[in-house]
Amino acid sequence: DIQVTQSPSSLSASVGDRVTITCRASQSIASHLNWYQHKPGRAPKLLIYAASNLQSGVPSRFSGSGSGTDFTLTISSLQPEDFATYFCQPSYITPYAFGQGTKLEIK
Amino acid sequence: QVQLQQSGPGLVKPSQTLSLTCAISGDSVSRNNAAWNWIRQSPSRGLEWLGRTYYRSKWFNDYAVSVKTRITINPDTSKNQFSLQLNSVTPEDTAVYYCSREGVAGKLDLWGQGTLVTVSS
Repeated sequence: DIQVTQSPSSLSASVGDRVTITCRASQSIASHLNWYQHKPGRAPKLLIYAASNLQSGVPSRFSGSGSGTDFTLTISSLQPEDFATYFCQPSYITPYAFGQGTKLEIK
Repeated sequence: QVQLQQSGPGLVKPSQTLSLTCAISGDSVSRNNAAWNWIRQSPSRGLEWLGRTYYRSKWFNDYAVSVKTRITINPDTSKNQFSLQLNSVTPEDTAVYYCSREGVAGKLDLWGQGTLVTVSS
């Protein structure tokens, strides 16, 4: 089974900051990685699919990169509504795994 | 507008069966290039994929090894929905359960609202 390690587990940042979250897969998954945003009491929201493709309706300040085993999610200029938990999901093959999550908090 | 609407009890007794339903509007459970997943989240286990059902000329299921002996995910084409049954539950099955649509590239692009299920006597 594919395992995934996400870092950091938490991050403090200010509005306007650029932040990067990383995800490492236990084996090569080509570009089969998705990123989600999750706010308390709400359903997770797809941000990026296939490593670097912006889901429709997602602001362009979100971007993804990487292939093989190492991936990054970047938020270019944090907005107040971006403070949430982010997690990655390799989608190469089932069983699907999820990263442990990165909680992005206001500094 | 495409939506997934979850329903089912929020409290289940230990050793009993957890049953949830996910009703689909604006899409079809039988669509040939989609899959329909159940995922849960708990503080101790984080996000955990449970399984999925999908139609590719016939119906298929994939299940997580951790629940494989206890889980059934069934489509209901007459009602355009799919269901989760988890048998012999314990307090460790307490979690928020989500249904989700899987589209191209394995992306989970649509989620239900989530159902907190507590296993307690």
